[in-house]
Amino acid sequence: DTGVSQNPRHKITKRGQNVTFRCDPISEHNRLYWYRQTLGQGPEFLTYFQNEAQLEKSRLLSDRFSAERPKGSFSTLEIQRTEQGDSAMYLCASSSYRGRFQETQYFGPGTRLLVL
Amino acid sequence: DQQVKQNSPSLSVQEGRISILNCDYTNSMFDYFLWYKKYPAEGPTFLISISSIKDKNEDGRFTVFLNKSAKHLSLHIVPSQPGDSAVYFCAAISGTYKYIFGTGTRLKVLA
Repeated sequence: DTGVSQNPRHKITKRGQNVTFRCDPISEHNRLYWYRQTLGQGPEFLTYFQNEAQLEKSRLLSDRFSAERPKGSFSTLEIQRTEQGDSAMYLCASSSYRGRFQETQYFGPGTRLLVL
Repeated sequence: DQQVKQNSPSLSVQEGRISILNCDYTNSMFDYFLWYKKYPAEGPTFLISISSIKDKNEDGRFTVFLNKSAKHLSLHIVPSQPGDSAVYFCAAISGTYKYIFGTGTRLKVLA
């Protein structure tokens, strides 16, 4: 068990370009989450997958953002036509539901995006 | 609207003393609370959690207290060590998956 991994760790792009991030969750976890963290703030929920189904999307996710989790394993988060306001740390987390008050989300190291 | 608040952006504590980090919440539907620690350039690491049916949970040097009537929780670290220097986030949940995080408190433990 190597924990949650994310690639790339850093991404610098020019405004208007598309970027894609990948998250590999802990292997036995069926739940996967994306969060965004900006300077001085805590992580903010973006979207949630249970297996391959995307069950919730935050209002923070504009139509330029799309996330997938094919086959319920790894997930990708794509941002189209990036804007400078998209610059942030994008965090992926995974968990396995074991009952109420027993679920803990485990986070990856994040992908830091800088849009120039 | 900030449903989970950490009003102290930073805290400095001498090594060996107690660190107390505070968190307030506004949503009475929250029933599970967690503390995470974050080092620079890393993702948050889970520390300890507490459900609303308890008022205290301990794990080694870490203890979390929950005061439901005051909508307040705190994390106590005793004794504090230099390696505890990090940003600490509290998080709350009212459903089964969506964490709401506070803005974090930067703890510095002085040797």
